[in-house]
Amino acid sequence: DVKVTQSSRYLVKRTGEKVFLECVQDMDHENMFWYRQDPGLGLRLIYFSYDVKMKEKGDIPEGYSVSREKKERFSLILESASTNQTSMYLCASSSTPGTVGYEQYFGPGTRLTVT
Amino acid sequence: AQSVAQPEDQVNVAEGNPLTVKCTYSVSGNPYLFWYVQYPNRGLQFLLKYITGDNLVKGSYGFEAEFNKSQTSFHLKKPSALVSDSALYFCATNAGNNRKLIWGLGTSLGVNP
Repeated sequence: DVKVTQSSRYLVKRTGEKVFLECVQDMDHENMFWYRQDPGLGLRLIYFSYDVKMKEKGDIPEGYSVSREKKERFSLILESASTNQTSMYLCASSSTPGTVGYEQYFGPGTRLTVT
Repeated sequence: AQSVAQPEDQVNVAEGNPLTVKCTYSVSGNPYLFWYVQYPNRGLQFLLKYITGDNLVKGSYGFEAEFNKSQTSFHLKKPSALVSDSALYFCATNAGNNRKLIWGLGTSLGVNP
């Protein structure tokens, strides 16, 4: 089974702190994604990566950056946390479209609270 | 523009009754369609997908979905609902070789004992 793990289930940070959320997948997937989920807004894509050191902005990249130094690991960075970044953060991975089983697989999520 | 609509925010059914969660899509080209389920405070779990072939797709936990090209729909169904099916359900799509998925806003399913 595909396994996607996230570094923390719950995180509380203060406004202005730099926050690192890490995600690791064990299926050798090329693509990795970071979403945030808020009530009534569904899943919104922050960034995704289709290869090591490659990244592409999603729908709401402002206030975030990402890093992918190794294929299995994709980090989301909040440069200066703000209260409006309080949310559930979900990481996902997938293989390349056109291959069997390219659906996205999700980690358990990190519920971040910024105070 | 590609989009997914889940017209119902909330669906409630009685345990043992059939359930349907609706999804319609708008894509250019042939769609890939997916259903996911999210239990409280958990990540999303993949349920089933339609890529090509048989319009009736069977997935995990007794769920199935019917692809209808003329109505651009991909409704999720289960013949007999369980209380444990109560969760948030998401429909998603893309087309062609797009790595990103387009997501619906989700439908909250409540199954009453």
